[in-house]
Amino acid sequence: QVQLQESGPGLVKPSGTLSLTCAISGDNIIGESWWSWARQSAGKGLEWIGEIHHTGNPNYNPSLKSRVSISVDKSKNQFSLTLTSLTAADTALYYCVRDRSGGFLRWDVWGHGTTVTVSS
Amino acid sequence: EIVLTQSPGTLSLSPGERATLFCRASQSVRSTYLAWYQQKPGQAPRLLIYGTSIRATGIPDRFSGSGSGTDFTLTISRLEPEDCAVYYCQQYGRSPPMYTFGQGTNLEIK
Repeated sequence: QVQLQESGPGLVKPSGTLSLTCAISGDNIIGESWWSWARQSAGKGLEWIGEIHHTGNPNYNPSLKSRVSISVDKSKNQFSLTLTSLTAADTALYYCVRDRSGGFLRWDVWGHGTTVTVSS
Repeated sequence: EIVLTQSPGTLSLSPGERATLFCRASQSVRSTYLAWYQQKPGQAPRLLIYGTSIRATGIPDRFSGSGSGTDFTLTISRLEPEDCAVYYCQQYGRSPPMYTFGQGTNLEIK
């Protein structure tokens, strides 16, 4: 059974940097799947942040592109999110997700999510 | 950016009834890039339907999807109490790569 587990700080200061990691179990990051970060807040609903393939070519939401970086750690079978210049608008529940792809949009495995609050 | 608009916002039905949920896109969406998710309180979204009409693993055949172009539908026949949830549609566009979600339909079971 494939499982994803997000980890990172629950509280970050305004103008600070958020770093989250998604640990993958039951699957290998070196495969056909793409790996995404998404977030959910009351104000914006579900929002895609970005995705990466193990070949290392990330794609980002244009609205966040200037502040986002996603990377892969093959040795640890995990991927990570960095989001800079945080404001209260970045307060949300953050999910890591597997896109099984195969020619379809198919986000078939989600982490439980980790709550991030931006506050001083 | 393609905007997805879901309707109705809230749907209240009884067990055994049929639910029809709509998702309208601001531009045409490729059928392979349209998916539906179910989210229950305190849980992550769960994939129900991908490729417009293909049920994900373990999803009962009470759930079905249809549509093309800009109009897509999720139908739940014979509602059960555990179907109480928020349902989201999602699309993927290639140029530039971008995923967007609808705002959700809240399905209440009386």
